[in-house]
Amino acid sequence: TQLLEQSPQFLSIQEGENLTVYCNSSSVFSSLQWYRQEPGEGPVLLVTVVTGGEVKKLKRLTFQFGDARKDSSLHITAAQPGDTGLYLCAGADTGNQFYFGTGTSLTVIP
Amino acid sequence: DVKVTQSSRYLVKRTGEKVFLECVQDMDHENMFWYRQDPGLGLRLIYFSYDVKMKEKGDIPEGYSVSREKKERFSLILESASTNQTSMYLCASSLRLAGWNRLDTQYFGPGTRLTVL
Repeated sequence: TQLLEQSPQFLSIQEGENLTVYCNSSSVFSSLQWYRQEPGEGPVLLVTVVTGGEVKKLKRLTFQFGDARKDSSLHITAAQPGDTGLYLCAGADTGNQFYFGTGTSLTVIP
Repeated sequence: DVKVTQSSRYLVKRTGEKVFLECVQDMDHENMFWYRQDPGLGLRLIYFSYDVKMKEKGDIPEGYSVSREKKERFSLILESASTNQTSMYLCASSLRLAGWNRLDTQYFGPGTRLTVL
C-alpha cells in the first residue's frame, strides 16, 4: 500500500517557468521531508516540516505542510536546469512508521 | 560531511546466484537502511538496522537478508537472485530512527544498479 502519492509523476518545463509538485495521503503524518535525487546519485534532504500549515522557503523553493498534516507541496519559482531531478517526499506517521512517496521526475529544459 | 559508500555502482548477475551488496558509512550512525527504487514506486524499505547485529524487516523483505557485524557496515544479501530483483538498490544511514513527531535526516549512498539475467 502506497501511503504517499506524488503528482505529477513526470514534469518537463522550460527554464524560467514555475511549477508545483504535490504529495498527498489519506493518513496523518507527524512530520514530512522533501528530498531531491540527481541522476546517478542518492537522494539528498531539502527540508523537514513538522507543523500543520508550516511554510518553509529555500531560495526559489517553497515547501508547505497542509493544515490537516495529510499533504504537502513544493513550489519552484523560475526553474533552472540545475533543478532537474527526482523529487521525493517522505513522511513519518503517528505510529512511528516512515514512508517515501512515489516521486516526481522533473526536467528543466534550457 | 557524512559519506555513505556502496561497493558497486553497477552489477550484473545470473538467476540463482548469491549476491552481496555492501554499504559503509563513516559517521558513526546508529541506523542503516536498504531500499530498492523502481520507477513509479519511489523508495521501498527492504530492511533496516538500529544497532550491530540488530535488524528489522521493512515493507518488502521477501527474498532478501541482511547482516550488520560492525556498526559502519550493512550488507544486503540476495540468497538466490531472480529477475524480479533487477532494480536500483540504495543504502542510507541516520543518527536516530524516526521518533514521535520527527524524521531524522537519512544520508544516502549513490546506489547500485543490479541487473539479474
